[in-house]
Amino acid sequence: QIQLVQSGPELKKPGESVKISCKASGYTFTDYAMHWVKQAPGKGLKWMGWINTYTGKPTYADDFKGRFVFSLEASASTANLQISNLKNEDTATYFCARGRSLLDYWGQGVMVTVSS
Amino acid sequence: DVVLTQTPVAQPVTLGDQASISCRSSQSLVHSNGNTYLEWYLQKPGQSPQLLIYKVSNRFSGVPDRFIGSGSGSDFTLKISRVEPEDLGVYYCFQATHDPNTFGAGTKLELK
Repeated sequence: QIQLVQSGPELKKPGESVKISCKASGYTFTDYAMHWVKQAPGKGLKWMGWINTYTGKPTYADDFKGRFVFSLEASASTANLQISNLKNEDTATYFCARGRSLLDYWGQGVMVTVSS
Repeated sequence: DVVLTQTPVAQPVTLGDQASISCRSSQSLVHSNGNTYLEWYLQKPGQSPQLLIYKVSNRFSGVPDRFIGSGSGSDFTLKISRVEPEDLGVYYCFQATHDPNTFGAGTKLELK
Protein backbone atom coordinates (compact mmCIF):
# COMPACT_ATOMS: atom_id res chain seq x y z
CA GLN A 1 0.00 0.00 0.00
CA ILE A 2 1.05 3.60 -0.54
CA GLN A 3 2.83 5.12 2.45
CA LEU A 4 4.78 8.25 3.25
CA VAL A 5 6.81 7.80 6.41
CA GLN A 6 8.47 10.86 7.88
CA SER A 7 11.38 11.13 10.29
CA GLY A 8 11.00 11.77 14.00
CA PRO A 9 10.45 14.93 16.07
CA GLU A 10 13.23 17.49 16.34
CA LEU A 11 14.20 19.94 19.07
CA LYS A 12 16.55 22.66 17.87
CA LYS A 13 17.95 26.00 19.05
CA PRO A 14 17.51 29.24 17.10
CA GLY A 15 20.13 29.55 14.38
CA GLU A 16 20.58 25.79 13.97
CA SER A 17 19.52 23.73 10.94
CA VAL A 18 17.24 20.74 10.60
CA LYS A 19 16.67 18.17 7.87
CA ILE A 20 13.53 16.08 7.86
CA SER A 21 12.81 13.20 5.52
CA CYS A 22 9.78 11.65 3.84
CA LYS A 23 10.22 8.09 2.56
CA ALA A 24 7.71 6.91 -0.01
CA SER A 25 6.71 3.33 -0.72
CA GLY A 26 4.03 1.48 -2.66
CA TYR A 27 4.29 3.47 -5.89
CA THR A 28 6.83 4.75 -8.42
CA PHE A 29 8.42 7.70 -6.62
CA THR A 30 9.17 9.73 -9.74
CA ASP A 31 5.58 9.55 -11.03
CA TYR A 32 4.26 12.05 -8.48
CA ALA A 33 5.46 15.38 -7.14
CA MET A 34 6.06 15.85 -3.42
CA HIS A 35 4.52 18.81 -1.66
CA TRP A 36 5.38 20.26 1.74
CA VAL A 37 2.84 21.80 4.14
CA LYS A 38 3.45 23.67 7.41
CA GLN A 39 1.10 23.71 10.38
CA ALA A 40 2.04 25.93 13.33
CA PRO A 41 0.64 24.84 16.72
CA GLY A 42 -3.12 25.36 16.81
CA LYS A 43 -3.13 26.96 13.36
CA GLY A 44 -4.20 26.06 9.85
CA LEU A 45 -2.34 24.54 6.93
CA LYS A 46 0.13 26.53 4.86
CA TRP A 47 1.41 25.30 1.51
CA MET A 48 5.20 25.62 1.31
CA GLY A 49 5.85 24.41 -2.23
CA TRP A 50 6.68 21.26 -4.10
CA ILE A 51 9.47 19.36 -5.79
CA ASN A 52 9.33 17.61 -9.14
CA THR A 53 10.55 14.15 -8.23
CA TYR A 54 11.49 13.40 -11.85
CA THR A 55 13.65 16.47 -12.55
CA GLY A 56 14.46 17.51 -8.97
CA LYS A 57 13.26 21.06 -9.62
CA PRO A 58 11.81 22.71 -6.50
CA THR A 59 9.19 25.46 -6.37
CA TYR A 60 8.81 27.53 -3.21
CA ALA A 61 5.99 29.73 -1.99
CA ASP A 62 7.25 33.26 -1.29
CA ASP A 63 7.32 32.82 2.50
CA PHE A 64 9.61 29.82 2.12
CA LYS A 65 12.27 31.20 -0.21
CA GLY A 66 15.79 31.47 1.20
CA ARG A 67 16.09 29.27 4.29
CA PHE A 68 14.10 26.30 3.04
CA VAL A 69 15.43 23.66 0.66
CA PHE A 70 13.57 20.74 -0.86
CA SER A 71 15.77 17.89 -2.08
CA LEU A 72 15.58 14.27 -3.14
CA GLU A 73 17.32 10.98 -2.67
CA ALA A 74 15.48 9.42 -5.59
CA SER A 75 17.31 6.11 -5.35
CA ALA A 76 15.87 5.83 -1.83
CA SER A 77 12.42 7.19 -2.80
CA THR A 78 12.94 9.93 -0.24
CA ALA A 79 12.17 13.63 -0.24
CA ASN A 80 13.85 15.95 2.24
CA LEU A 81 13.12 19.36 3.70
CA GLN A 82 16.01 21.31 5.16
CA ILE A 83 15.51 24.50 7.16
CA SER A 84 18.53 26.61 8.01
CA ASN A 85 18.99 29.46 10.52
CA LEU A 86 15.96 28.27 12.47
CA LYS A 87 13.68 30.86 14.09
CA ASN A 88 11.07 30.49 16.82
CA GLU A 89 8.33 30.90 14.21
CA ASP A 90 9.54 27.76 12.43
CA THR A 91 8.10 25.74 15.33
CA ALA A 92 5.48 23.67 13.56
CA THR A 93 4.50 20.30 12.21
CA TYR A 94 5.74 19.74 8.67
CA PHE A 95 3.85 17.35 6.39
CA CYS A 96 4.91 15.86 3.09
CA ALA A 97 2.11 14.96 0.68
CA ARG A 98 2.14 13.16 -2.64
CA GLY A 99 0.64 15.29 -5.34
CA ARG A 100 -0.31 15.61 -8.95
CA SER A 101 -2.76 18.55 -8.65
CA LEU A 102 -4.27 16.83 -5.62
CA LEU A 103 -2.65 15.74 -2.36
CA ASP A 104 -3.85 12.17 -2.05
CA TYR A 105 -1.44 10.65 0.47
CA TRP A 106 0.19 12.40 3.40
CA GLY A 107 3.00 11.65 5.78
CA GLN A 108 2.32 11.54 9.51
CA GLY A 109 4.01 14.90 10.04
CA VAL A 110 7.20 15.92 11.84
CA MET A 111 7.06 18.24 14.83
CA VAL A 112 9.98 20.69 14.82
CA THR A 113 10.39 22.71 18.01
CA VAL A 114 12.73 25.70 18.02
CA SER A 115 13.57 26.88 21.51
CA SER A 116 16.58 28.32 23.29
CA ASP B 1 -1.91 35.17 -4.14
CA VAL B 2 -5.35 33.56 -4.24
CA VAL B 3 -7.21 33.99 -0.95
CA LEU B 4 -9.74 31.32 -0.03
CA THR B 5 -12.33 32.50 2.47
CA GLN B 6 -14.10 29.74 4.36
CA THR B 7 -17.32 30.22 6.28
CA PRO B 8 -18.32 29.54 8.93
CA VAL B 9 -15.22 29.36 11.10
CA ALA B 10 -17.02 26.78 13.27
CA GLN B 11 -20.10 24.72 12.54
CA PRO B 12 -21.80 23.17 15.58
CA VAL B 13 -23.88 20.15 14.56
CA THR B 14 -26.02 17.39 15.98
CA LEU B 15 -25.17 13.91 14.74
CA GLY B 16 -27.43 13.07 11.82
CA ASP B 17 -27.75 16.72 10.76
CA GLN B 18 -26.61 18.16 7.46
CA ALA B 19 -23.62 20.56 7.47
CA SER B 20 -22.56 23.00 4.81
CA ILE B 21 -19.22 24.81 4.40
CA SER B 22 -18.55 27.61 1.94
CA CYS B 23 -15.24 28.41 0.25
CA ARG B 24 -15.00 31.60 -1.79
CA SER B 25 -11.94 32.43 -3.86
CA SER B 26 -10.51 35.91 -4.57
CA GLN B 27 -10.29 34.92 -8.25
CA SER B 28 -11.63 32.28 -10.57
CA LEU B 29 -10.17 28.81 -10.05
CA VAL B 30 -10.75 27.69 -13.62
CA HIS B 31 -7.39 26.65 -15.04
CA SER B 32 -6.39 27.46 -18.61
CA ASN B 33 -6.86 23.75 -19.35
CA GLY B 34 -10.53 23.99 -18.35
CA ASN B 35 -10.19 22.10 -15.05
CA THR B 36 -10.98 23.62 -11.68
CA TYR B 37 -8.48 22.43 -9.07
CA LEU B 38 -10.47 22.97 -5.88
CA GLU B 39 -10.13 20.30 -3.23
CA TRP B 40 -11.48 19.61 0.25
CA TYR B 41 -9.50 18.04 3.07
CA LEU B 42 -10.49 16.89 6.55
CA GLN B 43 -8.04 16.96 9.42
CA LYS B 44 -9.21 14.93 12.40
CA PRO B 45 -7.69 15.71 15.79
CA GLY B 46 -4.07 14.56 16.01
CA GLN B 47 -4.04 13.26 12.43
CA SER B 48 -2.71 14.26 9.03
CA PRO B 49 -5.16 15.87 6.62
CA GLN B 50 -7.02 13.48 4.33
CA LEU B 51 -8.34 14.17 0.84
CA LEU B 52 -12.12 14.10 0.50
CA ILE B 53 -12.99 15.87 -2.76
CA TYR B 54 -10.92 16.88 -5.79
CA LYS B 55 -11.75 18.99 -8.86
CA VAL B 56 -14.76 20.49 -7.07
CA SER B 57 -17.03 17.48 -6.93
CA ASN B 58 -15.10 14.21 -7.30
CA ARG B 59 -15.00 12.01 -4.21
CA PHE B 60 -11.62 10.44 -3.48
CA SER B 61 -11.43 6.66 -3.15
CA GLY B 62 -13.29 5.40 -0.08
CA VAL B 63 -15.01 8.70 0.74
CA PRO B 64 -18.68 8.14 1.61
CA ASP B 65 -21.34 9.56 -0.70
CA ARG B 66 -22.69 11.76 2.13
CA PHE B 67 -19.84 14.16 1.19
CA ILE B 68 -20.90 16.32 -1.76
CA GLY B 69 -18.77 19.03 -3.34
CA SER B 70 -20.24 21.60 -5.67
CA GLY B 71 -19.65 25.03 -7.15
CA SER B 72 -17.89 26.74 -9.99
CA GLY B 73 -15.66 29.69 -10.78
CA SER B 74 -14.91 31.20 -7.39
CA ASP B 75 -17.74 29.91 -5.21
CA PHE B 76 -17.69 26.40 -3.77
CA THR B 77 -19.56 24.39 -1.16
CA LEU B 78 -19.00 21.15 0.73
CA LYS B 79 -22.15 19.52 2.08
CA ILE B 80 -22.12 16.67 4.55
CA SER B 81 -25.45 14.95 4.93
CA ARG B 82 -26.20 12.91 8.06
CA VAL B 83 -23.07 13.91 10.02
CA GLU B 84 -21.42 10.96 11.78
CA PRO B 85 -18.92 11.04 14.67
CA GLU B 86 -15.97 10.30 12.36
CA ASP B 87 -16.78 13.44 10.34
CA LEU B 88 -15.78 15.78 13.17
CA GLY B 89 -12.62 17.82 12.70
CA VAL B 90 -11.37 20.76 10.65
CA TYR B 91 -12.23 21.05 6.97
CA TYR B 92 -9.94 22.94 4.59
CA CYS B 93 -10.49 23.95 1.00
CA PHE B 94 -7.36 24.10 -1.18
CA GLN B 95 -6.71 25.46 -4.64
CA ALA B 96 -4.07 24.08 -6.99
CA THR B 97 -5.06 26.17 -10.04
CA HIS B 98 -2.78 29.13 -9.35
CA ASP B 99 0.77 29.42 -8.02
CA PRO B 100 1.25 29.55 -5.13
CA ASN B 101 -1.32 26.96 -4.15
CA THR B 102 -3.29 28.06 -1.08
CA PHE B 103 -5.46 26.68 1.71
CA GLY B 104 -8.51 28.24 3.28
CA ALA B 105 -8.29 29.01 7.00
CA GLY B 106 -10.41 26.00 7.96
CA THR B 107 -13.88 25.27 9.33
CA LYS B 108 -14.22 23.28 12.53
CA LEU B 109 -17.11 20.83 12.50
CA GLU B 110 -17.99 20.19 16.15
CA LEU B 111 -20.81 18.82 18.25
CA LYS B 112 -23.43 21.20 19.59
